[in-house]
Amino acid sequence: EPEVTQTPSHQVTQMGQEVILRCVPISNHLYFYWYRQILGQKVEFLVSFYNNEISEKSEIFDDQFSVERPDGSNFTLKIRSTKLEDSAMYFCAYKGLSGQYFGPGTRLTVT
Amino acid sequence: AQTVTQSQPEMSVQEAETVTLSCTYDTSESNYYLFWYKQPPSRQMILVIRQEAYKQQNATENRFSVNFQKAAKSFSLKISDSQLGDTAMYFCAFKGSGGSNYKLTFGKGTLLTVNP
Repeated sequence: EPEVTQTPSHQVTQMGQEVILRCVPISNHLYFYWYRQILGQKVEFLVSFYNNEISEKSEIFDDQFSVERPDGSNFTLKIRSTKLEDSAMYFCAYKGLSGQYFGPGTRLTVT
Repeated sequence: AQTVTQSQPEMSVQEAETVTLSCTYDTSESNYYLFWYKQPPSRQMILVIRQEAYKQQNATENRFSVNFQKAAKSFSLKISDSQLGDTAMYFCAFKGSGGSNYKLTFGKGTLLTVNP
């Protein structure tokens, strides 16, 4: 069982709206990551987060994206103004003993 | 930049038989990590197995084993005694070990179907 939960499991939003995806660790972890997977395509890295700072980000992670850990627990990914091409599964992951372990994902649909 | 290639978009196997999924990668690094992830229809990403590049011994996890050929930059996954529950997308992934190499780079995946 994954040691993170993600909410919501499915989010439908209109183009141009802001969305916030949440990742809730069950145990204490220091390294977190966000990935996305457009339907039928490979999983793509967005950003890594350590000690409340971004440690690495991809070219996909532009100014429309932001991450934070506002209360020291929940880890959020915000998309400020969604586009149709943001429709995808968004996975939170944490660094565990053997590698990165993924949460169940949030399916984002932008209409 | 690292690249990961999975040349088999789809494969099928009969229940109880053995199947091998292929993966090749390109990197200039000497030390790194390789992974196989399974994604069943639920779309959950499940870590199956990990291989450290500095280890010559191939990793094994129950029915899952890898054939790691560092010189050839090849990393195949063997599934023995295939079960219906093994039906899933399988992704090969690479992670560097130095500097800011936090990210996983994935291949495009192989859809494996286990037939009864």
